[in-house]
Amino acid sequence: SYELTQPPSVSVSPGQTARITCSGDALPKQYGYWYQQKPGQAPVLVIYKDSERPSGIPERFSGSSSGTTVTLTISGVQAEDEADYYCQSADSSGTYVFGTGTKVTVL
Amino acid sequence: QITLKESGPTLMKPTQTLTLTCTFSGFSLSTSRVGVGWIRQPPGKALEWLTVIYWDDDKHYSPSLKSRLTVTKDTSKNQVVLTVTNMDPVDTGTYYCAHRQPNYQDSFDIWGQGTMVTVSS
Repeated sequence: SYELTQPPSVSVSPGQTARITCSGDALPKQYGYWYQQKPGQAPVLVIYKDSERPSGIPERFSGSSSGTTVTLTISGVQAEDEADYYCQSADSSGTYVFGTGTKVTVL
Repeated sequence: QITLKESGPTLMKPTQTLTLTCTFSGFSLSTSRVGVGWIRQPPGKALEWLTVIYWDDDKHYSPSLKSRLTVTKDTSKNQVVLTVTNMDPVDTGTYYCAHRQPNYQDSFDIWGQGTMVTVSS
């Protein structure tokens, strides 16, 4: 079945840039999406259709796509950005899939 | 304002059938391209997509769980019901329902608070 692979963890100092990658064979043909999840809370959509930002999401969150990889970039990381991040996509049969998740630690 | 809320049992025994209800407001599941999905998360683990149902009653299931899942909708009640048969301790986790926003393609823009289900003998 379709899989999306993320690094388990990313560490970044406040004010620096965090980049989280997500790899999957279908990503050249399918959009990638990103969610932020803080402890004890439901996920929040931060990026849709590879690089679009829902209303209310800070501009420091951006997304990009290249080949089999989509990337979430957090510029000027703040302490409040410490969370788990999940990528998500869908295949041509209508099946959805989430990535393995990345824990972002703000040092 | 779109809201969703999951409800159902919090404790299950192995082999039992789980029935969860997602009650929503702020949108209609009869509107073109709208959908409601179910996603679960075992304690300390990653999100796992289970199923999605669309405005036209089209349904898709996780290939690994397809034989155990059923999703239905009641448009008049603004509810979506998920059943999972033959529950096992590995099915323990938080179960979320979420709104699929047509303009955001295949993503879930609004989530319920989640409901924790524990499977134990």
